[in-house]
Amino acid sequence: EVQLVESGGGLVQPGSSLKLSCVASGFTFSNYGMNWIRQAPKKGLEWIALIYYDSSNKYYADSVKGRFTISRDNSKNTLYLEMNSLRSEDTAMYYCATISGFWGPGTMVTVSS
Amino acid sequence: DVVLTQTPVSLSVTLGDQASISCRSSQSLVYSDGNTYLKWYLQKPGQSPQLLIYEVSNRFSGVPDRFIGSGSGTDFTLKISRVEPEDLGVYYCFQATHDPLTFGSGTKLEIK
Repeated sequence: EVQLVESGGGLVQPGSSLKLSCVASGFTFSNYGMNWIRQAPKKGLEWIALIYYDSSNKYYADSVKGRFTISRDNSKNTLYLEMNSLRSEDTAMYYCATISGFWGPGTMVTVSS
Repeated sequence: DVVLTQTPVSLSVTLGDQASISCRSSQSLVYSDGNTYLKWYLQKPGQSPQLLIYEVSNRFSGVPDRFIGSGSGTDFTLKISRVEPEDLGVYYCFQATHDPLTFGSGTKLEIK
């Protein structure tokens, strides 16, 4: 059974940093591209980053480009999202998702003073 | 950026009836390899989104055949025949053809 479990969310102050993790199991993680997608409270879905299966290519939404970094460690079946210079508008549930369509339950990030 | 316009914004359907959701793209979603990377997701209340349809018309594993995706180029449709109570939630189209990838704004399906 495919499982994705995100962690690392929490309450942080504007301007601070946070690193999210997503541990994958039940499939060959190293074969699949991975996404981070977020959803602000009561809002729609926003794609924010994609990484190829071998980390050869990375893509970002303009809203996070230059502040967020997607990475992965295939030896640990883990996807990461390093978030810097956080803003109140980054407050959202953050989901990791395979390009093949599986999603985790999400981890909540709240940016507030 | 590609803008996906979903209509209607909300939909109220009687159980057993058909529902139809439109997703129109501001650009063709045909990729250079000939494939069209348009997906449909359903987010049920309190849950993560779940994939229903990929590449316009292919049902994901376990998705009932009541869900039918169609379309080409810039115009796409999701039809749900014989709506059941578990179909309620918000439906999103999503394109992975162009960078940045984008979602539609969602269509909320309610049961009458």
